[in-house]
Amino acid sequence: QVQLVQSGAEVKKPGASVKLSCQASGFTFFTYGVHWVRQAPGQGLEWMGRFIPGSGGTGDGTTKYSPKFQGRVTITRDTSATTAYMELSGLRSEDTAVYYCARGRIWFGDLYYFDYWGQGTLLTVSS
Amino acid sequence: DVQMTQSPSSLSASVGDTVTITCRANQDIRNYLSWFQQKPGKVPRSLMYAATSLQTGVSPRFTGGGSGRDFTLTIANLQPEDFATYYCQQFATYPLTFGPGTKVD
Repeated sequence: QVQLVQSGAEVKKPGASVKLSCQASGFTFFTYGVHWVRQAPGQGLEWMGRFIPGSGGTGDGTTKYSPKFQGRVTITRDTSATTAYMELSGLRSEDTAVYYCARGRIWFGDLYYFDYWGQGTLLTVSS
Repeated sequence: DVQMTQSPSSLSASVGDTVTITCRANQDIRNYLSWFQQKPGKVPRSLMYAATSLQTGVSPRFTGGGSGRDFTLTIANLQPEDFATYYCQQFATYPLTFGPGTKVD
């Protein structure tokens, strides 16, 4: 069955970077996209960015990021390991949140909707 | 960015009721809209995509409607497991954006 298993909770100091992982199983990883979303305590859902596969079927692809995180976030994917990563730099206390990966399923063009979600990773940023 | 609003922000209902949540975009997003359900402390669950299509395994008691700017999510015969917060999301343009949520309790 489709599963997305995320890495464990992290505690970081302000100014540091963090790299979260999302390991996929149960489907052909390189044919789907991956979105990253976060949810601050007591708040709603916020889209951060996504990786979608290229047309070559070789595991390459393209990313798109929310302007809010542009310059601080990097989403990558290791196709051979069926794992996606989200790195966030310049951490501040407001980045304390649960971070989710979600599988992106193609609608058309570069539009991918969500279906399956990872279990989430709690990131705490505190001095 | 496309701004998404939802109404009501919360509603009270009982088992067996039919409830409808409204989602509005500030520009035309065709039918590129998804709905998600989230229970406290749990992972969001994808319910619908393309405004009217059910995700795999989702009860047909959930129906979606609308296109353009105005959308609805209707839950018929409300069950105890349906008490949750519901979010809409547009995937027509980047950045993808979510509504603020509607809590059904």
